[in-house]
Amino acid sequence: GNSVTQMEGPVTLSEEAFLTINCTYTATGYPSLFWYVQYPGEGLQLLLKATKADDKGSNKGFEATYRKETTSFHLEKGSVQVSDSAVYFCARRGVGSQGNLIFGKGTKLSVKP
Amino acid sequence: GAVVSQHPSRVICKSGTSVKIECRSLDFQATTMFWYRQFPKKSLMLMATSNEGSKATYEQGVEKDKFLINHASLTLSTLTVTSAHPEDSSFYICSASYGHHSSYNEQFFGPGTRLTVL
Repeated sequence: GNSVTQMEGPVTLSEEAFLTINCTYTATGYPSLFWYVQYPGEGLQLLLKATKADDKGSNKGFEATYRKETTSFHLEKGSVQVSDSAVYFCARRGVGSQGNLIFGKGTKLSVKP
Repeated sequence: GAVVSQHPSRVICKSGTSVKIECRSLDFQATTMFWYRQFPKKSLMLMATSNEGSKATYEQGVEKDKFLINHASLTLSTLTVTSAHPEDSSFYICSASYGHHSSYNEQFFGPGTRLTVL
């Protein structure tokens, strides 16, 4: 099938800790992959993306590498800040030509000072 | 960056009434708009895709007569939940994209609308 699975939260970390949020996908072919972030009270925002295998997306200190061998797109950040507290969604491009997205369930991250 | 707004942000209605949710692209023309539904602790589920001036394409299992979508202009799409029931209570999110090849363009998301049906 076509789905996205990401680790369940919530994840609670101390400031400056290392973050990993796992994401795996199922697909035929190699769809574009995305991480979206939703800060409290706001809409989803694109955090980073990768459009082909071995691509690395990066933004605001976050990184994720498109691994076709493991069908994964894990999100990492070396040193989280309190302001990173949000819900993170992994997503892949859908099959249709309209560009719809298929989302994981979201992982809530709380960073404590 | 591109901004998408939704109105209202939250609405409470009685069972059997209809509710309209608006999605607007504030600083760009949206050729395609998407409507998602999010259940607690679950991912966003695509309900339908709408292109300006044409009928919406609904995902399997979504009742088109219950969830009426209108995309009358390049900056506005509306979702009307008709004869709402408590099981329709959810968080509804829209997104919009622009360009001739929507499959490659970024989607910009609205902040969502919390619907509670009593």
